[in-house]
Amino acid sequence: AQSVTQLDSQVPVFEEAPVELRCNYSSSVSVYLFWYVQYPNQGLQLLLKYLSGSTLVKGINGFEAEFNKSQTSFHLRKPSVHISDTAEYFCAVSRTQGGKLIFGQGTELSVKP
Amino acid sequence: DSGVTQTPKHLITATGQRVTLRCSPRSGDLSVYWYQQSLDQGLQFLIQYYNGEERAKGNILERFSAQQFPDLHSELNLSSLELGDSALYFCASRGNYGYTFGSGTRLTVV
Repeated sequence: AQSVTQLDSQVPVFEEAPVELRCNYSSSVSVYLFWYVQYPNQGLQLLLKYLSGSTLVKGINGFEAEFNKSQTSFHLRKPSVHISDTAEYFCAVSRTQGGKLIFGQGTELSVKP
Repeated sequence: DSGVTQTPKHLITATGQRVTLRCSPRSGDLSVYWYQQSLDQGLQFLIQYYNGEERAKGNILERFSAQQFPDLHSELNLSSLELGDSALYFCASRGNYGYTFGSGTRLTVV
């Protein structure tokens, strides 16, 4: 079985500062990894995904994540955040053979002026 | 527009009632997944269908059921509703690119 742990439930940060949202996963089989963002009162939007290849993945809105197999991590980063990045961020994992997405508990990113 | 359509967007109903949530997947996607999002439980996988057949079950209550029709749309039926069933219900479809989510149905049980 797979599991995902998001290490921070809340991350407050000032505008234009860098941010890292941490995600660790556990799995006995090969996995795909995802980050989704949920803005207030909205659905889930895919930020980026790691399927294979380069371990540094670039996504939308200036976000990137690095897959680290030895540390079973997939941390999300942005060098300079904006007020509009305030949202809930979810890390998720699925088996490469398909099946359900398993989500972490989410990290609430709060960007302050 | 993600390509995954969920209706209705909002639903308010009384305890003990039954509701049906509908999901149309992205064109060409055969898999549909249902999730429940609540404050205390986070995003929980409920059930998966692939081309009309049930493929996997998660934390789905016996009061809940689902099906996928020949045109690939899916319905999630929730019965004998309780206050604790109030949540955001998402469906997602899966293709070679990954998973795409609909905008959800917010269910409020009063």
